[in-house]
Amino acid sequence: GENVEQHPSTLSVQEGDSAVIKCTYSDSASNYFPWYKQELGKRPQLIIDIRSNVGEKKDQRIAVTLNKTAKHFSLHITETQPEDSAVYFCAASINSNYQLIWGAGTKLIIKP
Amino acid sequence: EAGVAQSPRYKIIEKRQSVAFWCNPISGHATLYWYQQILGQGPKLLIQFQNNGVVDDSQLPKDRFSAERLKGVDSTLKIQPAKLEDSAVYLCASSLSPTPGELFFGEGSRLTVL
Repeated sequence: GENVEQHPSTLSVQEGDSAVIKCTYSDSASNYFPWYKQELGKRPQLIIDIRSNVGEKKDQRIAVTLNKTAKHFSLHITETQPEDSAVYFCAASINSNYQLIWGAGTKLIIKP
Repeated sequence: EAGVAQSPRYKIIEKRQSVAFWCNPISGHATLYWYQQILGQGPKLLIQFQNNGVVDDSQLPKDRFSAERLKGVDSTLKIQPAKLEDSAVYLCASSLSPTPGELFFGEGSRLTVL
């Protein structure tokens, strides 16, 4: 069945540096790719999403890139800040109801 | 705007006991989801409702899990009898429709089965 792999599982970066999280998906029909941020003990919240007709999308310090041919997409966070510390989940849509298959998550640690 | 409400926040039960979780979605949101999130993993969809109808429950362990969304608003998820592997956070989410867009999650209900 459909699978989403996410790497790395843990990422530690110095404050101010950039962070990149990568996901690959298996279903070539997937056409919607959101990223959610989940702080410890809190609910997941959407931070950015991209649809398959777009190769890149940016929102301030956050950007997402999509390579449909290779079936992978990445989250880029620039100028990282302490409040960026959280678990980040990627997801890919399947079927006409846009149900999501989620990656296992990346724990991002920002070192002061 | 009020968010997605869930209760209880925490529940500890013995295996083979039963438990029920309640969710009230954002007003006007037709689509409601129940997810299971095991520690260290991403959310796994259990069931999706569109109004009061089930869109997909293919990953719901129907021998022990049940869910309903009477009147197309609130929803309850029940587990009976619970197993140790059911220990997880049960997240409810809602969205305006099943087209691509933001899912709004509740705080979750953390279940511990002893």
